[in-house]
Amino acid sequence: GAVVSQHPSRVICKSGTSVKIECRSLDFQATTMFWYRQFPKKSLMLMATSNEGSKATYEQGVEKDKFLINHASLTLSTLTVTSAHPEDSSFYICSARGTVTSGSVIDTGELFFGEGSRLTVL
Amino acid sequence: TQLLEQSPQFLSIQEGENLTVYCNSSSVFSSLQWYRQEPGEGPVLLVTVVTGGEVKKLKRLTFQFGDARKDSSLHITAAQPGDTGLYLCAGRSSGTYKYIFGTGTRLKVLA
Repeated sequence: GAVVSQHPSRVICKSGTSVKIECRSLDFQATTMFWYRQFPKKSLMLMATSNEGSKATYEQGVEKDKFLINHASLTLSTLTVTSAHPEDSSFYICSARGTVTSGSVIDTGELFFGEGSRLTVL
Repeated sequence: TQLLEQSPQFLSIQEGENLTVYCNSSSVFSSLQWYRQEPGEGPVLLVTVVTGGEVKKLKRLTFQFGDARKDSSLHITAAQPGDTGLYLCAGRSSGTYKYIFGTGTRLKVLA
C-alpha cells in the first residue's frame, strides 16, 4: 500500500524558535496533502489543505502566518511552526490523498496517514 | 461548519461483549471512512463507504452508511483487547477532497 512518512517523529524546541515538519509520500505522487493537529485524547482537527505548486488552503481559525505550509513537489509537503509557543505543543499528522485505479480512474479519496510528529515547545 | 458527532465518547467493556459506535451529522457526505488510531501513531483506515445504505463487514466489524448518507455506525462483535483504541469517522462532502473527522470514540476492551 501507499506509504507516507513524517519527520521528525518527535521534536522539542525552545519557545520562539521555528520548527519544520516534513511529510513525504514514498511510493506515490500526492498532489494534495492535508495537515491535522491532534490534542491529547482528542480527534483530528484539519488545519490546511496543501496543494502541489500552489498556496495552501487554511481552515477557519488557523493562522497561516503561524503555520507555514509548502508543497514544492509531488512527494513532499512541509509544515513550519513559526515562533513556536508552548500552546503550539501538539501531535501533528499529515495525510496524502491516494487515487485508486482499476482500468479507469476511480478516486475513493482514500487518505494515507503519516506516523505523526509530536511537538513539545518548552 | 460541518460537525461529525460520535457517540459514545468513551466505552469500556469486557472481552466478548458487542458494541456499536455512532457517527452523526446534519450534512450529507459523498463518502465516509472509519479509522482506528493507537496512541502516538497515525490513524489506520478500516473502511470506506460511499453508497447510502451500504453495509461492509471486516471480520468482526460491521460498518453501515445511513440511507441519507448523513450518518454511519460501526458494530463490533465479540470485542477483544486488541480492539482497544480511538475510533474515528471522517466524512467528505461532494466537490471537495478534504475529510472532516468526527469527535472520536475511545474504546477500551478489558480482558
